[in-house]
Amino acid sequence: EAGVVQSPRYKIIEKKQPVAFWCNPISGHNTLYWYLQNLGQGPELLIRYENEEAVDDSQLPKDRFSAERLKGVDSTLKIQPAELGDSAVYLCASSSRGGGYNEQFFGPGTRLTVL
Amino acid sequence: SQKIEQNSEALNIQEGKTATLTCNYTNYSPAYLQWYRQDPGRGPVFLLLIRENEKEKRKERLKVTFDTTLKQSLFHITASQPADSATYLCALGGGSQGNLIFGKGTKLSVKP
Repeated sequence: EAGVVQSPRYKIIEKKQPVAFWCNPISGHNTLYWYLQNLGQGPELLIRYENEEAVDDSQLPKDRFSAERLKGVDSTLKIQPAELGDSAVYLCASSSRGGGYNEQFFGPGTRLTVL
Repeated sequence: SQKIEQNSEALNIQEGKTATLTCNYTNYSPAYLQWYRQDPGRGPVFLLLIRENEKEKRKERLKVTFDTTLKQSLFHITASQPADSATYLCALGGGSQGNLIFGKGTKLSVKP
């Protein structure tokens, strides 16, 4: 069975440009997470979806970040406009249910470099 | 605010020895704790989960303990191998949102 798929794996953009990341979770997983990971740090939650509903987006910088999970399957995270400080790895994860007792399955991440 | 500390950024040990990694936390009462392994350029991979009412959990060469009085979890890898070299992350959960809070991780290097 395929794991969590993310694309692209790498992205280099100029500051002020828009960028989008795509994630396809494991089939049947209702809960989807987007994390940000800076070098030498642990993942930090940006947003959590239960099916198509964003149940926790308290850490998402809503002035420039947006996310959607139409039809409750794959998801897109967008940054517009990107800033230098957005350079990081963006991880997508999924689990069969939310609530945290369940293990999370992570994708390989998208490494974003903003110049 | 909630704080998670993993004892060191890096730990170097000799093959065959037991690696012990520490995860301490403050201002939090997690219902459970998870440990993940992360290799360079890859996403974290789940290893073990331990609940607040469990003292110890084992899986093959891995052992996790959870002391809610000390607010500490210890992660042990026995008979360590060079293939165990990776960054290990602890993550606390059980808050109102049910999300995980990750530590910074400890980079383990096992020398042959």
